[in-house]
Amino acid sequence: GQNIDQPTEMTATEGAIVQINCTYQTSGFNGLFWYQQHAGEAPTFLSYNVLDGLEEKGRFSSFLSRSKGYSYLLLKELQMKDSASYLCAVRDSNYQLIWGAGTKLIIKP
Amino acid sequence: IAGITQAPTSQILAAGRRMTLRCTQDMRHNAMYWYRQDLGLGLRLIHYSNTAGTTGKGEVPDGYSVSRANTDDFPLTLASAVPSQTSVYFCASSLSSTGELFFGEGSRLTVL
Repeated sequence: GQNIDQPTEMTATEGAIVQINCTYQTSGFNGLFWYQQHAGEAPTFLSYNVLDGLEEKGRFSSFLSRSKGYSYLLLKELQMKDSASYLCAVRDSNYQLIWGAGTKLIIKP
Repeated sequence: IAGITQAPTSQILAAGRRMTLRCTQDMRHNAMYWYRQDLGLGLRLIHYSNTAGTTGKGEVPDGYSVSRANTDDFPLTLASAVPSQTSVYFCASSLSSTGELFFGEGSRLTVL
């Protein structure tokens, strides 16, 4: 079956750096997405990786290794507003998105 | 303001009743999707439409139906609601079937 694994919950300190990991086993690969979802709100797009390597966008970076079925989202200079759930999703060979359950990130002062 | 609009925002429904969740987008996106989100689970695809006039079944289609008569609208119908359909429902759209998804604000449905 297809599977996306990410930690259920992580805690970090304001101003610090946190890395949220995502491993996947899917039938084919056509890109990996990261979304941010604040409690009670809709998911919003953060990043997209289709080739191996690091994509940087401001304080957020996303890394992909297709050979290892692995990605991470790196958040730098954490702010209280970064407290949210972070969703990893992979497009399979049929171009359907397979979603992880999300990682709830708690930022402490 | 461009985006996706869902209605209603929240609804309590008696089991056995029929319910339609509305979704409208004004971004001229070709693809539209309906997901449900339950605590501890990832977003699960109910139905999708890659272009107006076509629809397809997702991971959890049973008990739900959709139509796509035009580009903008993609309603989701529960023919006879059951308590297991209590969930938060998100409509989403993308320019193509390979692009990033834009989500509506969600519809919280409780079936008693």
